[in-house]
Amino acid sequence: KQEVTQIPAALSVPEGENLVLNCSFTDSAIYNLQWFRQDPGKGLTSLLLIQSSQREQTSGRLNASLDKSSGRSTLYIAASQPGDSATYLCAVKYGGATNKLIFGTGTLLAVQP
Amino acid sequence: EPEVTQTPSHQVTQMGQEVILRCVPISNHLYFYWYRQILGQKVEFLVSFYNNEISEKSEIFDDQFSVERPDGSNFTLKIRSTKLEDSAMYFCASRLITDTQYFGPGTRLTVL
Repeated sequence: KQEVTQIPAALSVPEGENLVLNCSFTDSAIYNLQWFRQDPGKGLTSLLLIQSSQREQTSGRLNASLDKSSGRSTLYIAASQPGDSATYLCAVKYGGATNKLIFGTGTLLAVQP
Repeated sequence: EPEVTQTPSHQVTQMGQEVILRCVPISNHLYFYWYRQILGQKVEFLVSFYNNEISEKSEIFDDQFSVERPDGSNFTLKIRSTKLEDSAMYFCASRLITDTQYFGPGTRLTVL
């Protein structure tokens, strides 16, 4: 069964710290992986999409890496700010005819001022 | 920046009633999706829609659910006879050719 896991479930860091969020997937035959941010009671904001052929993608203070062979992706956030506090979700799209994203359970991040 | 919109933001209904959740995808997008998130659980795929037909659906998407694109801008999810377990946040998403799916703010459905 294709599953996506995120560790840790929750993380609290002081402002300014660099941090890494982890995402693991059981089937390495992925097509792409997308990282999202979800604020309480709100929708999902796409942060980065990384294709299976790529090793990493960067946007501002965010950097996502992908290691298909080990079934892992990481989201690195540099110089964290209180405004980064949210739940971060990773979602995997597998190849073939499927369109759906398979989501992880998320990491709840709190950045303390 | 274009965005996906959803109405209503919150819908309260009685068990057994029909509900229609509405979405306006980003203009010119071609692929449309519904996902749901039960409180405290993962976001789950329900259905994808392309070229005016369902292209894929999950086991959750049974005969009680249907989707429609009645005109060039709206995309709807209908639940014919709601159950308590249908209470969830329902998200609409759309994409063009590129793979990034853009999500709306969601509709919180509460079934009493």
